[in-house]
Amino acid sequence: DTEVTQTPKHLVMGMTNKKSLKCEQHMGHRAMYWYKQKAKKPPELMFVYSYEKLSINESVPSRFSPECPNSSLLNLHLHALQPEDSALYLCASSQVSSSYEQYFGPGTRLTVT
Amino acid sequence: GDSVTQMEGPVTLSEEAFLTINCTYTATGYPSLFWYVQYPGEGLQLLLKATKADDKGSNKGFEATYRKETTSFHLEKGSVQVSDSAVYFCALPNYGGSQGNLIFGKGTKLSVKP
Repeated sequence: DTEVTQTPKHLVMGMTNKKSLKCEQHMGHRAMYWYKQKAKKPPELMFVYSYEKLSINESVPSRFSPECPNSSLLNLHLHALQPEDSALYLCASSQVSSSYEQYFGPGTRLTVT
Repeated sequence: GDSVTQMEGPVTLSEEAFLTINCTYTATGYPSLFWYVQYPGEGLQLLLKATKADDKGSNKGFEATYRKETTSFHLEKGSVQVSDSAVYFCALPNYGGSQGNLIFGKGTKLSVKP
């Protein structure tokens, strides 16, 4: 199984809402990533988890809060977002963070109203 | 710092045409190089990779050769299909930055017409 799954596929939320994005992989990978992708742009790295510990936070605003409950799951908690946070949010995984062969999920299309 | 430069798109081709998407890089040393593809409405998929100079990565009829002399990793396919329509990203590891961070090119959108 080389699949990374993400739910939901689409999400519309108001600026005062709290929501969560979920990501799951069963490849035994020990590194997991959150990316943000705006239209017609490459993905931008947000967070890296390595062995279930947050190893990288690329200066992401605190309204985005990642969580890694176990080695297969990765969540991104959203609160008080701004319209400019509307984007495609991609989850990825790799064997370890020093392996740059990353497997991406299909993404969650987020719209903030 | 390290960087990747891709040819600007969009690229529009007829089915069975030859494809080249140019990618050049600036980096210290000899990084691994990757091509990722993003089909409409999907996440990225690793298409092919090369880990050292003169390596040729290949997958699904696509090829790219790691040329250290020209610091290039151009993507080629001899005969494109409509199903190849996608955005293609050249990438290299950001060894000088956060581990796990990939430096992506801006992406090249390919449209193949029947």
